[in-house]
Order: sequence, then structure tokens, then C-alpha cells
Amino acid sequence: DQQVKQNSPSLSVQEGRISILNCDYTNSMFDYFLWYKKYPAEGPTFLISISSIKDKNEDGRFTVFLNKSAKHLSLHIVPSQPGDSAVYFCAASGNGGATNKLIFGTGTLLAVQP
Amino acid sequence: NAGVMQNPRHLVRRRGQEARLRCSPMKGHSHVYWYRQLPEEGLKFMVYLQKENIIDESGMPKERFSAEFPKEGPSILRIQQVVRGDSAAYFCASLQGNHNSPLHFGNGTRLTVT
Repeated sequence: DQQVKQNSPSLSVQEGRISILNCDYTNSMFDYFLWYKKYPAEGPTFLISISSIKDKNEDGRFTVFLNKSAKHLSLHIVPSQPGDSAVYFCAASGNGGATNKLIFGTGTLLAVQP
Repeated sequence: NAGVMQNPRHLVRRRGQEARLRCSPMKGHSHVYWYRQLPEEGLKFMVYLQKENIIDESGMPKERFSAEFPKEGPSILRIQQVVRGDSAAYFCASLQGNHNSPLHFGNGTRLTVT
């Protein structure tokens, strides 16, 4: 049972344009969401998070949007840079903000073309 | 990913052998988590430990897998009598103690069972 779904296995974007990565979840108990970025042969690196009491969180070029009614969140990267090329994982937690037992999606491979 | 140290980076074992994966958390972090990433899948929670205590092992397979985090030394994930299906990337993550902060992951151990 995949509680966190990333339905696009890959995405290709031109440098300078906006990248939009999507994530859907099924468990209404999830109240904390995170995005991680992963390069090959490395561990995931935390990017940005959002609590369910918010619908938007912004950090530099990265913005995460949360639509609780649709059980959907998205990560916007603008402008996209070649160094952003990586696998992006969406993760969710239902422990009141606790990040243990994160449930991860299967990832989206982002390729930013120069 | 600086700070969480995992070794070895690559481990090859024959079926039936034992695998020992080590994780040293970031300095000052007392919480350790183990995740497994099977090919083409997201990361799956295995176990959460604090010093000398297993807090949550709900993601651990019932047999052959064990984990510890002793008072001194690294956390160890031990897999006895490995099978081909154990081939995966095993990631360790640590947390200082505030569960509202994100997990910091190591670069993983890639286990290959031949």
C-alpha cells in the first residue's frame, strides 16, 4: 500500500524555467511533509518541509505547496539550474511533526537541461 | 550529508553469510534511524534507536535482521544468512532530539548478495 505517491518517474526542464514536482498521499493523518534531494551514490539531503497548518513554505528558489483537501503537495523550483538535476523524494509523517518513520514516495528524477 | 558516517560504502556477501553495516551519527545526535531502499523504490523505514534502546522496530523483517546502538560506538544493522532479496541500499539517519527537525542521512551502504 503506497501511502505517498510520486506518479512521475522523471521530469525534464530547461535551465531557467520552473520545475514542478508533484506528490499525492492517501493517509489523512499525515501532518508534516518534507522534500529530499538525492544525487547518485549519496544519501538524501533535506530540502524543505511544510506543516499541515500551512499551505505554502518558501526557501529561496524552492517553494512547497500543500493542498490538504486534495491530499496533494508540490515542489516548485524556480529558476531551475543544471545542479538541481537529481532524484527528488517526497516524504510524510503523521507524528505531529516528528520526522521518525517518514513514509517516502518512489522519487522523481529531475533533469535540468542547460 | 556531512556528519553521518556509514561504512562500508559497498558490501558484497554470498548467500548465507552475515552482513554488518555501521553508522556513526552526527556529533551530538542521540537518535538513529535505519532505512532501506530497494531498486526502483523509495526509502522504507526499518528501525529507530536511541542509545542502548530500540524505540521502534516495526519496519524490520521478523527474522535475520537486528539492530543495536550501544552506549559507546556506532549503530550496527546486522543481517544474518543474507539472501538475494536483501540486496539494497541501506541508509542511516540521525536526529539531535527535536523531532521537528529533519533527519540527516548518511551516504548509505550498498549491499550486494551474490
